[in-house]
Amino acid sequence: GAGVSQTPSNKVTEKGKYVELRCDPISGHTALYWYRQSLGQGPEFLIYFQGTGAADDSGLPNDRFFAVRPEGSVSTLKIQRTERGDSAVYLCASSSGTGASYTFGSGTRLTVV
Amino acid sequence: KQEVTQIPAALSVPEGENLVLNCSFTDSAIYNLQWFRQDPGKGLTSLLLIQSSQREQTSGRLNASLDKSSGRSTLYIAASQPGDSATYLCAVRPLIKAAGNKLTFGGGTRVLVKP
Repeated sequence: GAGVSQTPSNKVTEKGKYVELRCDPISGHTALYWYRQSLGQGPEFLIYFQGTGAADDSGLPNDRFFAVRPEGSVSTLKIQRTERGDSAVYLCASSSGTGASYTFGSGTRLTVV
Repeated sequence: KQEVTQIPAALSVPEGENLVLNCSFTDSAIYNLQWFRQDPGKGLTSLLLIQSSQREQTSGRLNASLDKSSGRSTLYIAASQPGDSATYLCAVRPLIKAAGNKLTFGGGTRVLVKP
């Protein structure tokens, strides 16, 4: 597609539930990134994929968070046993390679009640 | 650990004034630095990308400078317009491959241009 697409744009879930957030990167972009942005702060890195593999998952806060990119295109961020502190905007970005600029999606606003 | 700081956190100017936004980073071993714009409830839009070997980049009314040795970048927006109102974020990518390709962001500067 022309840009990075993220679905859903908004998600409200109850504490303890499982959620999946989807990212569809720009066609042909091999690098895909997930970031999390809390209100009034800059985005914080979660995980980076090069192709199908997670090249760097050092930003995932704990083992409740997991992400996949099985075919090297669409990625899904999965959060188990959600907590109120998980509420944030989850941003996805893709890039054509090292040194190239990032293109971000509009984000998924997750609210855990 | 790389830390990126943006000062001020918020800025309000009358229409027509030039804007000067500052970004500082603690580790000068960067691959590049990128400036983004974020509108309320939206994702990030890339404005300018400066490679570590460059000193500045220009696009229309926007000019970004980079002084890697002192750990600073400045975004200048000439003749500001109400449509420039947004949050501006800077982010650095590390030089060392072992540090990964992740960007480290500053907290942003929230800009309001009053008509």
